Amino acid sequence: NAGVTQTPKFQVLKTGQSMTLQCAQDMNHNSMYWYRQDPGMGLRLIYYSASEGTTDKGEVPNGYNVSRLNKREFSLRLESAAPSQTSVYFCASRKGPGQGDNSPLHFGNGTRLTVT
Amino acid sequence: AQTVTQSQPEMSVQEAETVTLSCTYDTSESNYYLFWYKQPPSRQMILVIRQEAYKQQNATENRFSVNFQKAAKSFSLKISDSQLGDTAMYFCAFLEPNAGGTSYGKLTFGQGTILTVHP
Repeated sequence: NAGVTQTPKFQVLKTGQSMTLQCAQDMNHNSMYWYRQDPGMGLRLIYYSASEGTTDKGEVPNGYNVSRLNKREFSLRLESAAPSQTSVYFCASRKGPGQGDNSPLHFGNGTRLTVT
Repeated sequence: AQTVTQSQPEMSVQEAETVTLSCTYDTSESNYYLFWYKQPPSRQMILVIRQEAYKQQNATENRFSVNFQKAAKSFSLKISDSQLGDTAMYFCAFLEPNAGGTSYGKLTFGQGTILTVHP
């Protein structure tokens, strides 16, 4: 019953450092997503992968890169962290194309990232 | 441009009363899906209810129901008999078809409404 697993849970970076947030799901879902949550801004879509082998930009992709490593894993990379990237990051997955159009998102528990 | 708008940053309601949270969205598509999610202080995201745009009937899940007005692009959530455990942030979400309209992928959220249920 793991669902969507995100690592790490917490991270502090200095400006300019890089890091990768890892996400894995064990539900055989086709689609995976990365969101950031900031006070007053709701959840904003960074990148998504509708199916293995594809990735698309969301609302706020600048400063981030993603890799859909395989069907299970979807990582988010910050190449040069900035204080504006301080946020809570959520990974999510859903069944997606060919599996059920109306399937909802299943979320990980989030990563709290602070950039100083 | 914001696709999904929740115009009420905060709402409060007395226990056992009814409250309605509003959500509007912007699209030129005719087929899409809408969701309401709840995020309690634990930060966990929980699906509350979903609506298919091609269905005229409003979705209901126990004490939760929606008022889906497709022409007005409005998707409000009604919580009846409010309970203390309903205290949370509520997000409206919109799932739109990909280019070509053969599948769905991009799912965007509103800014959220903080709901507080008072005893």
